[in-house]
Amino acid sequence: EAGVAQSPRYKIIEKRQSVAFWCNPISGHATLYWYQQILGQGPKLLIQFQNNGVVDDSQLPKDRFSAERLKGVDSTLKIQPAKLEDSAVYLCASSPWTGGAGETQYFGPGTRLLVL
Amino acid sequence: QKEVEQDPGPLSVPEGAIVSLNCTYSNSAFQYFMWYRQYSRKGPELLMYTYSSGNKEDGRFTAQVDKSSKYISLFIRDSQPSDSATYLCAIGTSGNRKLIWGLGTSLAVNP
Repeated sequence: EAGVAQSPRYKIIEKRQSVAFWCNPISGHATLYWYQQILGQGPKLLIQFQNNGVVDDSQLPKDRFSAERLKGVDSTLKIQPAKLEDSAVYLCASSPWTGGAGETQYFGPGTRLLVL
Repeated sequence: QKEVEQDPGPLSVPEGAIVSLNCTYSNSAFQYFMWYRQYSRKGPELLMYTYSSGNKEDGRFTAQVDKSSKYISLFIRDSQPSDSATYLCAIGTSGNRKLIWGLGTSLAVNP
């Protein structure tokens, strides 16, 4: 079974530029998560989709971050414009069913973003 | 008070040592207790999962939940250099989809 795929793996941009990350979850997984992980911290949930609907985006900075999951499969996370404090690893994860707290989440390798 | 507290370490032990990793939490409603392992430049992967209270063992790994003390532990026996990673605790309830994550403890096992 193929794992969660993410691209790009690394990205360096200047502040105020835009950037987009792509995620392809495990085939058949209904729930998709985007996390932000700052160095030395645990993952912080940005947005959770179940199929192509948003379940939780309470911690997504909506003035600059946006995400979509078209057709309930792939997802894209965008930052526009980027700030220095957005430097982090952006992790995508998926889980098979409804995304309840007891479900195992399967993570991709992450995209490392550096904002200069 | 944070919902989950985890000492970030770093923790350095010799090969073969017994390692104890811990998290404390504040909300007695938490029911799901997980330990994820994260290797450098990789995403986290589920290592141990416990529902409610008690112990769970899998090979060299044992997860313990003490709900009365709001304390969870992960023990690693006969630690190996390949166990060098960051260990994240994650807890949740059935009433809230969102997991609460600890900071992660960085572990180095030295040969």
